[in-house]
Amino acid sequence: AQSVTQLGSHVSVSEGALVLLRCNYSSSVPPYLFWYVQYPNQGLQLLLKYTSAATLVKGINGFEAEFKKSETSFHLTKPSAHMSDAAEYFCAVRRRSGNTGKLIFGQGTTLQVKP
Amino acid sequence: DVKVTQSSRYLVKRTGEKVFLECVQDMDHENMFWYRQDPGLGLRLIYFSYDVKMKEKGDIPEGYSVSREKKERFSLILESASTNQTSMYLCASSPPPERGRGGNTIYFGEGSWLTVV
Repeated sequence: AQSVTQLGSHVSVSEGALVLLRCNYSSSVPPYLFWYVQYPNQGLQLLLKYTSAATLVKGINGFEAEFKKSETSFHLTKPSAHMSDAAEYFCAVRRRSGNTGKLIFGQGTTLQVKP
Repeated sequence: DVKVTQSSRYLVKRTGEKVFLECVQDMDHENMFWYRQDPGLGLRLIYFSYDVKMKEKGDIPEGYSVSREKKERFSLILESASTNQTSMYLCASSPPPERGRGGNTIYFGEGSWLTVV
């Protein structure tokens, strides 16, 4: 069965510092991978997705993620944090077979950005 | 832009009440989903539907049912609400993945906060 693990339920960085949010997946076949962001009292917004093209994926708001098959990881990074990046971030996987498109989510990581 | 609309943002219901959460999408998507979000647990899939009148159980279907009579509308039903169903509920929709691919984005609504007292 597929699963997703996000290491660290809370991450705190200073404004301007590197943001690194970790995600590892468990799957016999590399799945499709997604990062979503949720701002307070809102739904989820897609940041970026990996669908077997380039392993380095660029998303919105300056975020990017690199798919590493050998490490079964899909960590999210941003070179310089902004106060507006404070939110909850979810990593998700979807298996390659089947046609329903359902996602399996990690537990989420809350990003705090300090001035 | 794709729009997924959840009609009720905040609800307070009594234990034992029947609760309906409504979701409408405007992009003619075949697939629709109901997730539940709880702190520390992420999002868990309750039910999904891949066509009108078609539905499948997700990971936590107990205590819930769904209805999809029209393509654009997917309703979540709590037959007899209980306090452990107090949560944030998120509806989502997506087009069907292309054959052999699957990166289609799933679009989410704003969420419905349900409190059962």
